[in-house]
Amino acid sequence: GAVVSQHPSRVICKSGTSVKIECRSLDFQATTMFWYRQFPKKSLMLMATSNEGSKATYEQGVEKDKFLINHASLTLSTLTVTSAHPEDSSFYICSARSTDTEAFFGQGTRLTVV
Amino acid sequence: GQNIDQPTEMTATEGAIVQINCTYQTSGFNGLFWYQQHAGEAPTFLSYNVLDGLEEKGRFSSFLSRSKGYSYLLLKELQMKDSASYLCAAMDSNYQLIWGAGTKLIIKP
Repeated sequence: GAVVSQHPSRVICKSGTSVKIECRSLDFQATTMFWYRQFPKKSLMLMATSNEGSKATYEQGVEKDKFLINHASLTLSTLTVTSAHPEDSSFYICSARSTDTEAFFGQGTRLTVV
Repeated sequence: GQNIDQPTEMTATEGAIVQINCTYQTSGFNGLFWYQQHAGEAPTFLSYNVLDGLEEKGRFSSFLSRSKGYSYLLLKELQMKDSASYLCAAMDSNYQLIWGAGTKLIIKP
């Protein structure tokens, strides 16, 4: 099946710094990518949807300036958590799909802000 | 309505095999997730199935039957560290996850 690679799988950063998470579709062109956040003991939350070459569409309550999403090519989307704080510590997961395929998910990134 | 069912608790012996079942009903379907959650920690991603069949990853395997609305997680060569809750979640047509209540797996020596 299609493979979506997410990197890094785990990252620890200092409060106030920025962290970039990459999501790559390895064997298909991803016209749409989704970014999710996992809150403890709660459902995975859709943060934003991005289409290649256009601005991401953010879900209500998600800060656009804090969670920067770039989908510059058909195989790569990045999520940058800017000025990270401990409350941003979470599990972030991406998924990608083309116009005629199901969505495939990355392994996820565990972010810890200290 | 949308619903996920999985057993509340299961007990197995170290070194054995255990199968955790999950049935789901969702508005549209975009895949089935399994997560492992140790007490006090966030769930960690185990597997994702969107096509029928069995996906094997080391000691863990996950199976999906879309026509039956059924999935299972198979754990082989059980280790004490596998004691945890296992969460089944189905993704609906809006790409939102519908979660089961979780299955608490107890491993005995």
